[in-house]
Amino acid sequence: AQTVTQSQPEMSVQEAETVTLSCTYDTSESDYYLFWYKQPPSRQMILVIRQEAYKQQNATENRFSVNFQKAAKSFSLKISDSQLGDAAMYFCAYRSSPGIQGAQKLVFGQGTRLTINP
Amino acid sequence: EAQVTQNPRYLITVTGKKLTVTCSQNMNHEYMSWYRQDPGLGLRQIYYSMNVEVTDKGDVPEGYKVSRKEKRNFPLILESPSPNQTSLYFCASSARMSLGGQYFGPGTRLTVT
Repeated sequence: AQTVTQSQPEMSVQEAETVTLSCTYDTSESDYYLFWYKQPPSRQMILVIRQEAYKQQNATENRFSVNFQKAAKSFSLKISDSQLGDAAMYFCAYRSSPGIQGAQKLVFGQGTRLTINP
Repeated sequence: EAQVTQNPRYLITVTGKKLTVTCSQNMNHEYMSWYRQDPGLGLRQIYYSMNVEVTDKGDVPEGYKVSRKEKRNFPLILESPSPNQTSLYFCASSARMSLGGQYFGPGTRLTVT
């Protein structure tokens, strides 16, 4: 079974600075997808960024980018120019590629609470 | 607007009193799922459904039931709630062969006393 680990329960950063959230995972599959979700105080789960394992290029969405190291099974999230609205719980998640029974299931890490200091 | 809705958003109940949390999506998605979120554990899948009348257990199914009689609805049933089911519950949906993430509902905060 796949597992996802976020070893940083809490992180803080000064507004406008850059912060990196860590995520490692364990799988025997070669094709899969990785995600970062943001959960603000409203509790809504918001998809931040997605990475396909077969793509070597790291995904980028505006101020959010990932460092995907497939061999190391590492998937970190970098937030540049941090803003107060980035304060939230961030979850790393894994899913298998389509066609596998139960592939749609998301396996989540424990979460990292990010605080932005003004 | 594409969305997943859940009701109720907040619920306080007592041990043993049967309850149902409803989930509905308007995107014609085949796949629907329930997760529970607990501090330090992230979100864990309870049950999922690949289509109407097709359901299967996730990682933490004990104490829960589901049904999928219509494509849009996927209710979560707690026949005899216990305090260890106090949690934040999310319903999610996606298209069957979607390569992306899932659409999540707004969450239901359940407290069992």
